[in-house]
Amino acid sequence: GAVVSQHPSWVICKSGTSVKIECRSLDFQATTMFWYRQFPKQSLMLMATSNEGSKATYEQGVEKDKFLINHASLTLSTLTVTSAHPEDSSFYICSPGRGANEKLFFGSGTQLSVL
Amino acid sequence: DAKTTQPPSMDCAEGRAANLPCNHSTISGNEYVYWYRQIHSQGPQYIIHGLKNNETNEMASLIITEDRKSSTLILPHATLRDTAVYYCIGASNFGNEKLTFGTGTRLTIIP
Repeated sequence: GAVVSQHPSWVICKSGTSVKIECRSLDFQATTMFWYRQFPKQSLMLMATSNEGSKATYEQGVEKDKFLINHASLTLSTLTVTSAHPEDSSFYICSPGRGANEKLFFGSGTQLSVL
Repeated sequence: DAKTTQPPSMDCAEGRAANLPCNHSTISGNEYVYWYRQIHSQGPQYIIHGLKNNETNEMASLIITEDRKSSTLILPHATLRDTAVYYCIGASNFGNEKLTFGTGTRLTIIP
């Protein structure tokens, strides 16, 4: 069964609005959550790493004030795309960290379309 | 993470074995080789991983060369549902390791 639940699967929003994406780890406590972004016909690119109870770490070129990450509990991390614009349209995927030599699982992804 | 090189695309006939190669010549001694696949508009799906011994599970087999500079993922009896992009990734055995995805191999299973 699924170990990571990501919601919503897809969302369409108007330019300038904010969108929240939730990622839940179902059968374990995730101290770390990785957030990826994938544009059409491209590979996954890591955006940021969130750690429970502390500030997220953003990859170079990713605006921390635009992509707000909250990891307030060991089972839930959220990514909020603030003031979304058409260029933010992408497939967003979360992945909770695991122990050494363990499988890394991924959420089912959220397709964001900004009009 | 080790840099990996994969062919951009491959075709395989349905029912035949699909052999997907991956070069990871810069892999370090503590890095595992992970394989994932992504079907269109879905999150990546774990397939298999290994350090230096060959591995087999219900989905696939992983053959790692003795020098660990390359590996091959084998899908023994490919079906149409195996059409996907396959990613080979090197990741250390430290906990909470992020994965760096390359461009992968787009595998198409032909009826």
